Amino acid sequence: GEDVEQSLFLSVREGDSSVINCTYTDSSSTYLYWYKQEPGAGLQLLTYIFSNMDMKQDQRLTVLLNKKDKHLSLRIADTQTGDSAIYFCAESITAGNMLTFGGGTRLMVKP
Amino acid sequence: DVKVTQSSRYLVKRTGEKVFLECVQDMDHENMFWYRQDPGLGLRLIYFSYDVKMKEKGDIPEGYSVSREKKERFSLILESASTNQTSMYLCASSLSGARDTQYFGPGTRLTVL
Repeated sequence: GEDVEQSLFLSVREGDSSVINCTYTDSSSTYLYWYKQEPGAGLQLLTYIFSNMDMKQDQRLTVLLNKKDKHLSLRIADTQTGDSAIYFCAESITAGNMLTFGGGTRLMVKP
Repeated sequence: DVKVTQSSRYLVKRTGEKVFLECVQDMDHENMFWYRQDPGLGLRLIYFSYDVKMKEKGDIPEGYSVSREKKERFSLILESASTNQTSMYLCASSLSGARDTQYFGPGTRLTVL
């Protein structure tokens, strides 16, 4: 079955770049997503990338996809304390829009 | 803006009670989903529905049932709550098709004593 894995924790200093990594096993993944969850809140979609793309940039966020290695990363430039949250990657394979989520990476930004 | 609401933010129930978690979306989405979120396990899909009165089991349906009588409302039912169902429950909705993103509600933190 599908499997999506992330490291549990990342700590960076304010102003530095953060890179959150994700690996997945299903080569038929069509869309890959990054969601952000702030304390006590639901999940907020940050960005997504189609499997035929290598990179997508959206302001401070850069998503890189290595389809050969099944590796997805999210880079946050100039990380701020407001970026402290749990970040989930997810994949979507076929119609019906079922998502498989990773376990989430908790990002801590130190002032 | 899409809005997904859940009936309670926090809920405390006793073992054996029947529990209803309600989710409502206001964007006429066909698909609705129920997940549970546990530390280190991420989100796991319990059930989803792609149309009124239609439902499909997700990865962990045991101990749960669902109801979708109206398009905007998707209910998760714990027939007899157990302590291992203590968790954060998240509802989501989306339009049909794999490219359409899921929008999440704020979650219900359920504690079963």
